[in-house]
Amino acid sequence: DAGVIQSPRHEVTEMGQEVTLRCKPISGHDYLFWYRQTMMRGLELLIYFNNNVPIDDSGMPEDRFSAKMPNASFSTLKIQPSEPRDSAVYFCASSLLPGGSYEQYFGPGTRLTVT
Amino acid sequence: EDKVVQSPLSLVVHEGDTVTLNCSYEVTNFRSLLWYKQEKKAPTFLFMLTSSGIEKKSGRLSSILDKKELFSILNITATQTGDSAVYLCAVAYNTNAGKSTFGDGTTLTVKP
Repeated sequence: DAGVIQSPRHEVTEMGQEVTLRCKPISGHDYLFWYRQTMMRGLELLIYFNNNVPIDDSGMPEDRFSAKMPNASFSTLKIQPSEPRDSAVYFCASSLLPGGSYEQYFGPGTRLTVT
Repeated sequence: EDKVVQSPLSLVVHEGDTVTLNCSYEVTNFRSLLWYKQEKKAPTFLFMLTSSGIEKKSGRLSSILDKKELFSILNITATQTGDSAVYLCAVAYNTNAGKSTFGDGTTLTVKP
């Protein structure tokens, strides 16, 4: 398996622009997670899905952030409008539950820079 | 509020040294504790611990959980420069299954 796939790997955009991050989880995994990582705040869970349904979005910082999972093999995280404080590395992860391990498999991340 | 606290925040050692990283937690509905290693990329899974007192071991790395005192340690013996990374501790829940809360990590630097 190719692992969790994220695109783009790097994104530089100007404040006010819309940004869309994409994720393809590992085939067969039924949980998908979006995280944000910064030096100041560490690794923060933004939202996670189970069987394509959002379960907990309490970590989404504000209404500018939205996430969708239209099918089992694709998810997007959208920021509109983007702000400089959104600059971070955004990770997507997937896992197989129940019955499997609780370990999460992380994608390579998208490094977002908002100028 | 659930908390996962790691210590020390950073550590510098020389090759061959043994290190111990700590993770304490205060969470409701604890199910398991996980350790991840993060080099200059995404976190990768090391161990999952569910039961107290049972050591998990992989090569030079080992970890143990104490559910009474609510902490775990990660030991690395005979450290190598390739062990330099951020080590993350996370807690998984019985309810809200799938969710994990991560600590801030310990940055380990191993010098030649």
